[in-house]
Order: sequence, then C-alpha cells, then structure tokens
Amino acid sequence: AQKVTQAQTEISVVEKEDVTLDCVYETRDTTYYLFWYKQPPSGELVFLIRRNSFDEQNEISGRYSWNFQKSTSSFNFTITASQVVDSAVYFCALSEDSGYSTLTFGKGTMLLVSP
Amino acid sequence: DTGVSQDPRHKITKRGQNVTFRCDPISEHNRLYWYRQTLGQGPEFLTYFQNEAQLEKSRLLSDRFSAERPKGSFSTLEIQRTEQGDSAMYLCASSFDLRSEQYFGPGTRLTVT
Repeated sequence: AQKVTQAQTEISVVEKEDVTLDCVYETRDTTYYLFWYKQPPSGELVFLIRRNSFDEQNEISGRYSWNFQKSTSSFNFTITASQVVDSAVYFCALSEDSGYSTLTFGKGTMLLVSP
Repeated sequence: DTGVSQDPRHKITKRGQNVTFRCDPISEHNRLYWYRQTLGQGPEFLTYFQNEAQLEKSRLLSDRFSAERPKGSFSTLEIQRTEQGDSAMYLCASSFDLRSEQYFGPGTRLTVT
C-alpha cells in the first residue's frame, strides 16, 4: 500500500531564511505521481506542483524548488527567502496509476515564518 | 473562472441527525473526489466519481455515508445518524482526467454535538 511520510511536524523560521520540507513516499507501482499542496489558515488546499515518476528533473518556480530522488523515495520542497505569507501547512501527496488517482496525503508540515 | 465550490461552509448538528453537503466541481472536470480531514491530519480519501459513476469507496465510508453525482455535475454527500466521530472537514476535489492535478474546494466543516 502507498504511504507518505512528512517527518517534520512543525518548522519555525525567520523571514528571508531558506527552508526545506521533507517528504518520503512508499509505493509498489512503477508509475505514480507526487504532489505538494499548501493549506493556508483560510483552510483551502492550494495545488503547487505535480511530478510523475518518470521525470526526475528538479523544478524551480520563483522562490519554490522541488528535488525528486527516486533512489531515496523522496520529493523535498524548498522555499528560498521565506516570507510571512508562506506560513501554512504543506502537504505532500502520492497517487498511483493503478489506483484511480486517489491521493494519499502525508500528515503535513506546519511552516511558521515570523517577521 | 470559478473553482470548486462547497455548501455549506459550516454545519453544526446534533448527534443522530442527518446532514447533506453539496459540491460543485469545475465545469469541465469529469472526476470528482470526496476527502475527510481531521485536526492535525492530512485529507483521507472517501469516494470518487467519474462522471455520474461512483467507482471507488474507501473503507472509511461506512453504511451511514452515501454520495451521489446525478448527471455527472454536482455531487452530494449525506451522513445519516451522525456521530461525534464524524466531526471533520469534508473536502471535495475535481480533476480533468486520470493524471491531472486535483483542485480542492474550501470544505464543509461539520461539528456534531
């Protein structure tokens, strides 16, 4: 069965610091998809990124970057020069090609960025 | 461009009562998902529709829960004889196809007293 582990429950940083959120996943499928979602205090989950298992290229989008490593089953998320507006709970999720694409989420990492 | 909408946003009910929630997906999305999120946890999958067909149900979905998606448009999730353990945020998501990202609605927060 698939599983997603986000070992960091809560991270506190000061504005402008870089921060990395860890995600480790388990799956038996060879084709799968990994996601990051942001849940701000308002509660609505916001989609950030989707990667498939065949594409290990790292991706950068503005201050956000993602590092996908199949060898360690990890899909880590880095925020560069963090801002107060980045404060939220971040979820890593996995879907398997054979499983109707239902998402399995980790427990989330709460990021608190203080001024 | 409207996103996924859910109604109501909050519901307080007494134990034993029935409640119904509604989800309106993004218009061109064929797939619709229901998840439940409790405090401090990630969302957990409940059930999934492709158009009007309910294709998968989680073991979390007891007999007291039923979901429909008539005509493949909006969906409803009904909980009969609510229990305090049903208190949670109920999230709806939709996607265009199998491999597309899921977009979530704002959720319905249910409190059972």
